[in-house]
Amino acid sequence: AQSVTQLGSHVSVSEGALVLLRCNYSSSVPPYLFWYVQYPNQGLQLLLKYTSAATLVKGINGFEAEFKKSETSFHLTKPSAHMSDAAEYFCAVRAISSGSARQLTFGSGTQLTVLP
Amino acid sequence: NAGVTQTPKFQVLKTGQSMTLQCAQDMNHNSMYWYRQDPGMGLRLIYYSASEGTTDKGEVPNGYNVSRLNKREFSLRLESAAPSQTSVYFCASTERGGISTDTQYFGPGTRLTVL
Repeated sequence: AQSVTQLGSHVSVSEGALVLLRCNYSSSVPPYLFWYVQYPNQGLQLLLKYTSAATLVKGINGFEAEFKKSETSFHLTKPSAHMSDAAEYFCAVRAISSGSARQLTFGSGTQLTVLP
Repeated sequence: NAGVTQTPKFQVLKTGQSMTLQCAQDMNHNSMYWYRQDPGMGLRLIYYSASEGTTDKGEVPNGYNVSRLNKREFSLRLESAAPSQTSVYFCASTERGGISTDTQYFGPGTRLTVL
């Protein structure tokens, strides 16, 4: 069964600073990986996803993530934080297989605070 | 397109009461899902419906039932609510349930408190 670990339940950065949110996965084979963002009192929306086409994935709002098989990681980055980036971010994994294993498994989330 | 809609937005129940959470999508998606979100635990899958007429248990199905009423609608029922079911409930849908790369689209959530 696949699982995902997000290191750091809370991350604070200054406006204009680099954003780095960490995600490590556990899976018997390289899975598909997703980053979702949740703004206050809203549902989740997709930021980006890795589907094995390219290891560096660009998403919306200037975010990107790099799939590193050797490190089983899929960290999310943004060169310069904006106040509007304050939200909770979820990493998720889905196995490349049939049956229930293809359901999404979410990490516990990282709350990003952007300081003025 | 409204996307995925959920009703109600908020609900307070007493222990033992029952209620149904409603979810509808207007994107002609085949698969629909119910999750619960609890602090520090991410989202956990309760039930899903890969296609109209089918439903399957997810990670935390106990205490819940679901109905895929038609292709658009997927309801979640609590027969006898318990305080442990206090949570935020999200409905989601994907176009093709069998395709692992498909994006899940989420509704705005229902905040449920069980006293």
